[in-house]
Amino acid sequence: GAVVSQHPSWVICKSGTSVKIECRSLDFQATTMFWYRQFPKQSLMLMATSNEGSKATYEQGVEKDKFLINHASLTLSTLTVTSAHPEDSSFYICSAGNRDGEKLFFGSGTQLSVL
Amino acid sequence: QKEVEQNSGPLSVPEGAIASLNCTYSDRGSQSFFWYRQYSGKSPELIMSIYSNGDKEDGRFTAQLNKASQYVSLLIRDSQPSDSATYLCAVNMRYSSASKIIFGSGTRLSIRP
Repeated sequence: GAVVSQHPSWVICKSGTSVKIECRSLDFQATTMFWYRQFPKQSLMLMATSNEGSKATYEQGVEKDKFLINHASLTLSTLTVTSAHPEDSSFYICSAGNRDGEKLFFGSGTQLSVL
Repeated sequence: QKEVEQNSGPLSVPEGAIASLNCTYSDRGSQSFFWYRQYSGKSPELIMSIYSNGDKEDGRFTAQLNKASQYVSLLIRDSQPSDSATYLCAVNMRYSSASKIIFGSGTRLSIRP
């Protein structure tokens, strides 16, 4: 399967700081990437769809000014959690679709802990 | 929000037995269905995809799809302790502007030795 690299794997930060998470497709070009968030013992919740060269599409209830998404190239999408607060502590996972967009391949995830 | 529903479990199955995981979905127009396995603290791993009614087998795994009943299942034969994980059902749902893969809440499976 396709390889999606996500960095960092975990981050601990103080409340009020911003955190950037990178997601790279290593062996294919991804025009679309997806960002999910997962709280403990809950399922993956789609936050936004990241489109190369255009604005991201956010799901209802997700603040676009708080979760900044940039998809500057066909292999890189970034998610920046701005002014992070303890309630933003979660497991963030990026994914990219295969050529026909039918299957998702996931990055390894980023565990964010905001103190 | 269109839905994908799973029994949260935990489902406990003895080693060597067959584990049966079930999922229902609300969008009758959905055409693509997936099963992912997720270990605690890790990201999901694709196990099976299925697009047509009937059964699809891959090793110890069999996915079953019934579009008329809006039902998809995963069977795991000869269950092993390493199969203990959360299994996520995912459905590619069509919306007005795009398609999105929506996940169920997952079923926790525990294989007891």
